[in-house]
Amino acid sequence: AQTVTQSQPEMSVQEAETVTLSCTYDTSESNYYLFWYKQPPSRQMILVIRQEAYKQQNATENRFSVNFQKAAKSFSLKISDSQLGDTAMYFCAFMNRGDEKLTFGTGTRLTIIP
Amino acid sequence: NAGVMQNPRHLVRRRGQEARLRCSPMKGHSHVYWYRQLPEEGLKFMVYLQKENIIDESGMPKERFSAEFPKEGPSILRIQQVVRGDSAAYFCASSPGGKSTGYEQYFGPGTRLTVT
Repeated sequence: AQTVTQSQPEMSVQEAETVTLSCTYDTSESNYYLFWYKQPPSRQMILVIRQEAYKQQNATENRFSVNFQKAAKSFSLKISDSQLGDTAMYFCAFMNRGDEKLTFGTGTRLTIIP
Repeated sequence: NAGVMQNPRHLVRRRGQEARLRCSPMKGHSHVYWYRQLPEEGLKFMVYLQKENIIDESGMPKERFSAEFPKEGPSILRIQQVVRGDSAAYFCASSPGGKSTGYEQYFGPGTRLTVT
């Protein structure tokens, strides 16, 4: 069974600074997808970024980028120029290709300080 | 294009009653997933359905829980004889299915179930 570990329960950073959230996972599969989801106080789950394991290039979406280290089974999220609206719970998630079910980590509560 | 709709947003049930949670997927999506989030925890997969078929129910408790996605109408997650431990947020997600979209799932706003 796959497991996803987020070792930072809480983090806080000053507005406009850069913050990195860590995520590691365990799988014996070679073909899979990794995701970061954001859950603001409204509790709506919002997809932030997605990475396909067979792609070596790290995914980027505006201020959000990942550092995907397949051999180390590590998938960290970097948020640049952080904004107050980035305050939320962030969940790392894993999906085997063809499986179509997400396995989530326990989340990191990120607070952006004005 | 409306997003994934879930209703009700909040549901209060007494122990022993039945809870019915509804999910309407995004237009054009034929794959529906249900997840449960206990307080201060991540989401846990429960069941994956396509129209009229349960594809994977490996995360669903064997008793009291059932799910359906009929040919017409929303997907329903049904919890019979609720207990306090069923209190949680239940999220539905949908996707068009397949690798063309990178298996991206779009989530609804969730239903918060409180059992008193």
